[in-house]
Amino acid sequence: DAGVTQSPTHLIKTRGQHVTLRCSPISGHKSVSWYQQVLGQGPQFIFQYYEKEERGRGNFPDRFSARQFPNYSSELNVNALLLGDSALYLCASSLTHGRRSGRAPYNEQFFGPGTRLTVL
Amino acid sequence: ELKVEQNPLFLSMQEGKNYTIYCNYSTTSDRLYWYRQDPGKSLESLFVLLSNGAVKQEGRLMASLDTKARLSTLHITAAVHDLSATYFCAVDSGNTPLVFGKGTRLSVIA
Repeated sequence: DAGVTQSPTHLIKTRGQHVTLRCSPISGHKSVSWYQQVLGQGPQFIFQYYEKEERGRGNFPDRFSARQFPNYSSELNVNALLLGDSALYLCASSLTHGRRSGRAPYNEQFFGPGTRLTVL
Repeated sequence: ELKVEQNPLFLSMQEGKNYTIYCNYSTTSDRLYWYRQDPGKSLESLFVLLSNGAVKQEGRLMASLDTKARLSTLHITAAVHDLSATYFCAVDSGNTPLVFGKGTRLSVIA
């Protein structure tokens, strides 16, 4: 079975440009989350989508946007790139979003290989 | 706001020695994850801890969770060079997907 896939693997952009990153979740998974990992730090949550709707948003500026398609794949868009946007962007897929009630099974996230974005 | 703290952030170990990485978090949660990350790579899931007192072991690594103390530990036994990597803990707060610690960069030296 294919895991989470992301494209492109690496990307170099200049300040002010925009970028689109893509993610395909594991077959059967309906939720996609995006994380930004700056060098030397832990991943930071950006967005979560489930059934094509935004279900969560982290503390990122409006330059960051995302969407989810009917096939559950997702795009992350970043406009007006800054040097500080250079990072590894990770996509994670899960069956659903959040927790179910009570002691229902956990909703583990599975991470893709990431896209390394360099802004010059 | 959920905060997750790991210590130490850097750890240099001799082969064959034992050591423990600590992960503290600030709000109630009973779901904690440990990941390994090699340089330039994505996150590899190591352990999923789902209840107070949970203990899981895989090879030279053992993870435990104390939800009352809001503490998880990752214990390394008889370290080998192949364990050199960055280790992250992440907590499921129930509201946002995951909140990660800053990671512990482990270097095992001969």
